[in-house]
Amino acid sequence: EDKVVQSPLSLVVHEGDTVTLNCSYEVTNFRSLLWYKQEKKAPTFLFMLTSSGIEKKSGRLSSILDKKELSSILNITATQTGDSAIYLCAVEAKRVLTFGGGTRLMVKP
Amino acid sequence: KAGVTQTPRYLIKTRGQQVTLSCSPISGHRSVSWYQQTPGQGLQFLFEYFSETQRNKGNFPGRFSGRQFSNSRSEMNVSTLELGDSALYLCASSLSSAGLPVDTQYFGPGTRLTVL
Repeated sequence: EDKVVQSPLSLVVHEGDTVTLNCSYEVTNFRSLLWYKQEKKAPTFLFMLTSSGIEKKSGRLSSILDKKELSSILNITATQTGDSAIYLCAVEAKRVLTFGGGTRLMVKP
Repeated sequence: KAGVTQTPRYLIKTRGQQVTLSCSPISGHRSVSWYQQTPGQGLQFLFEYFSETQRNKGNFPGRFSGRQFSNSRSEMNVSTLELGDSALYLCASSLSSAGLPVDTQYFGPGTRLTVL
């Protein structure tokens, strides 16, 4: 059975801190790993990773995939209160997304 | 381009009733997937539709069913509702073009179903 595990479960930081969120997976027929941000509503797409070692960046967020270690990290630098959300990692295999339990990030002013 | 839309946004039903949820994908997207999100189980895959055919199915009982129309809009039906069906139901659409080796799924705002 496909499995995705995220850590930590929750994190409280102060504005300006840098955070690293982890995602590990055991999935058959891996095609891609995706990161989503979920506030009160729908998960919002952040990144899709398919190749090991290639960092994807968007502003203060970046992510990288390690296919050898079957894991990925999501970094957020200079955190802001607007970064408070649940961050979801999902692995896609045969067009089906298997999600991790999410990391709840709270950024305090 | 408009995003994925779902209706209704909120629903309250009682046990034993049935419910139909609707999802309109992003224009040009041909695949629609449905997910159930609960605090205990997280986000779980229900099924995927492409070209009016169910292409993938998750581990949910037969009370959960769906369909897709020729314009790619999709509906999900849950019959004989149980208390445990209370959840946020999300649909996601993707291009699913033959030439694409990988694809991104974009989510709608969800329908929050409460079963009393």
